[in-house]
Amino acid sequence: KNEVEQSPQNLTAQEGEFITINCSYSVGISALHWLQQHPGGGIVSLFMLSSGKKKHGRLIATINIQEKHSSLHITASHPRDSAVYICAVKYGGSNYQLIWGAGTKLIIKP
Amino acid sequence: ETGVTQSPTHLIKTRGQQVTLRCSSQSGHNTVSWYQQALGQGPQFIFQYYREEENGRGNFPPRFSGLQFPNYSSELNVNALELDDSALYLCASSRGPETQYFGPGTRLLVL
Repeated sequence: KNEVEQSPQNLTAQEGEFITINCSYSVGISALHWLQQHPGGGIVSLFMLSSGKKKHGRLIATINIQEKHSSLHITASHPRDSAVYICAVKYGGSNYQLIWGAGTKLIIKP
Repeated sequence: ETGVTQSPTHLIKTRGQQVTLRCSSQSGHNTVSWYQQALGQGPQFIFQYYREEENGRGNFPPRFSGLQFPNYSSELNVNALELDDSALYLCASSRGPETQYFGPGTRLLVL
């Protein structure tokens, strides 16, 4: 069993739809990242959060530490949001490694 | 633009060869992490360097080794390449535990 599970694996939606991507983890963490990876490999960090909720433009990320669950929401989705969205968790302690989910491939159709 | 650069962008090698991948960190970042991403999978942690010392290692064999230099740039070396080493190799720099900034990756193909 993977330590970080994402769902769905693939998601296709129409422009304008509200998008939710879920991440569950089974280990104790100090923080959780949501990252965006475009075709060709470039990775952009969207959020790092350890509690509550963060918002940046049309993106909202929430985390529930007790339930070991986080969600990434995209409001008013647009074709340029098409990418792979990856959840990664960071263990505490001196080693800052990230444990990654397999990613959710999002396609937004015009 | 994250300020993290990697070279080369693409590389083709044959089984048994050795490869060195390079990463230049964002200015002021003392920590670099290396990840391997096989096609269709999430990245896997290889190892991390903090102030020139290895600070943690994932489940990769010893033929994967690394270096971090005084200017915090880094190298990933892979000896005795195997076909399964074909992947995208990503480096990320950070200031300790803070947000990691990723380079564009090096795509390695082993034939």
